[in-house]
Amino acid sequence: DIQMTQSPSSLSASVGDRVTITCRASQNIGSSLNWYQQKPGKAPKFLIYGASSLQSGVPSRFSGSGSGTDFTLTISSLQPEDFATYYCQQSYSTPPTFGQGTKVEIK
Amino acid sequence: EVQLVESGGGLVQPGGSLRLSCAVSGFIFSSYNMNWVRQAPGKGLEWVSYISGSSSTIYYADSVRGRFTISRDNAKNSLYLQMNSLRDQDTAVYYCARGHSTGGYRLDDWGQGTLVTVSS
Repeated sequence: DIQMTQSPSSLSASVGDRVTITCRASQNIGSSLNWYQQKPGKAPKFLIYGASSLQSGVPSRFSGSGSGTDFTLTISSLQPEDFATYYCQQSYSTPPTFGQGTKVEIK
Repeated sequence: EVQLVESGGGLVQPGGSLRLSCAVSGFIFSSYNMNWVRQAPGKGLEWVSYISGSSSTIYYADSVRGRFTISRDNAKNSLYLQMNSLRDQDTAVYYCARGHSTGGYRLDDWGQGTLVTVSS
């Protein structure tokens, strides 16, 4: 199975900050990398596919980059509604696997 | 509007069985692959199972293979997960998730989840 490792596990940031989350795959997955946002008690929400393509309706302050084994999710200017846990997921092979999550908290 | 609504969760003893359902609306169900994903309390997301639109292709996570069975009824717009020989570590919120129309494991839409608690 492909292992997905996110860093950091948590971070504290203020509204307006630029935030970057890193995801590393244990092998080359090309651009088969997705990002999800989950708020407490809610289902995950799909944000980004193909490493860098924004799902319809997702604010443009979210962006993704990377290929191969190293990927990043960037929030250019953190908003109050962005405080949540973010997961990366590889869709390159079965089983699809998720990172352990990065919790973005209010500083 | 795409909607996915899970049901069937509850408290069950170790070794017991439970059948989860996911009722969908707002899209042509038979055209989409579907997945079950679970989340243990306070933990991350774990993919459980996949079924193609025609039910011709099915996959399971190693942790549930041989105990869980995924199925679907396209006439009823419903997805199912039959869970047998349940263990404490199966305790989780179970989500049904719709795959993208092009296939693969891009999970575009999720239900609200149903909680399964395995405990004596």
